[in-house]
Amino acid sequence: KAGVTQTPRYLIKTRGQQVTLSCSPISGHRSVSWYQQTPGQGLQFLFEYFSETQRNKGNFPGRFSGRQFSNSRSEMNVSTLELGDSALYLCASSLGRSPSSGNTIYFGEGSWLTVV
Amino acid sequence: GENVEQHPSTLSVQEGDSAVIKCTYSDSASNYFPWYKQELGKRPQLIIDIRSNVGEKKDQRIAVTLNKTAKHFSLHITETQPEDSAVYFCAAWDSSYKLIFGSGTRLLVRP
Repeated sequence: KAGVTQTPRYLIKTRGQQVTLSCSPISGHRSVSWYQQTPGQGLQFLFEYFSETQRNKGNFPGRFSGRQFSNSRSEMNVSTLELGDSALYLCASSLGRSPSSGNTIYFGEGSWLTVV
Repeated sequence: GENVEQHPSTLSVQEGDSAVIKCTYSDSASNYFPWYKQELGKRPQLIIDIRSNVGEKKDQRIAVTLNKTAKHFSLHITETQPEDSAVYFCAAWDSSYKLIFGSGTRLLVRP
């Protein structure tokens, strides 16, 4: 069974540009969450999607947005990029939203974004 | 919202010794606590988890304990090996279905 797949793995953007990152969850998983990982701030929750609806949002500016498609694939978008947006963006998927028995969260390899 | 604190931030042990990492959480409604291991340049990988209806769980050299009253949980690694060297994150799945992470512990196992 394929794991969580993220594309692209590495990208370099210029300040002011926008970027779109893609995530394909594990087959059958309907919940997709996004996290930003930086050396200084650790793993920060961005947002969570379930059944094509954003269910949760972390404390990030409106430049960060996302969506989920009917096949559970998800994209996140960052507009007007700033130097501080340089980070590893991790996507995670799970069967459902509740941590019930058998429902665990698995991470993709991440997309390394560098803003110059 | 949930807040997870993790200690220590770095831990250096001799190969064969035990390592213990501790976390505390604030949301008493949190009921799922996974631990992830992240090697340099790789994804966080789930190594063990515990749900609030149990106090301890063990998987070979790794064990996790949970004290719901005190709102803290710990990771125990016995007979450490150099390949255990990595950053370890604790997390709590809070009542609003978000996974909140601790700040991470960099474990170094000296051969």
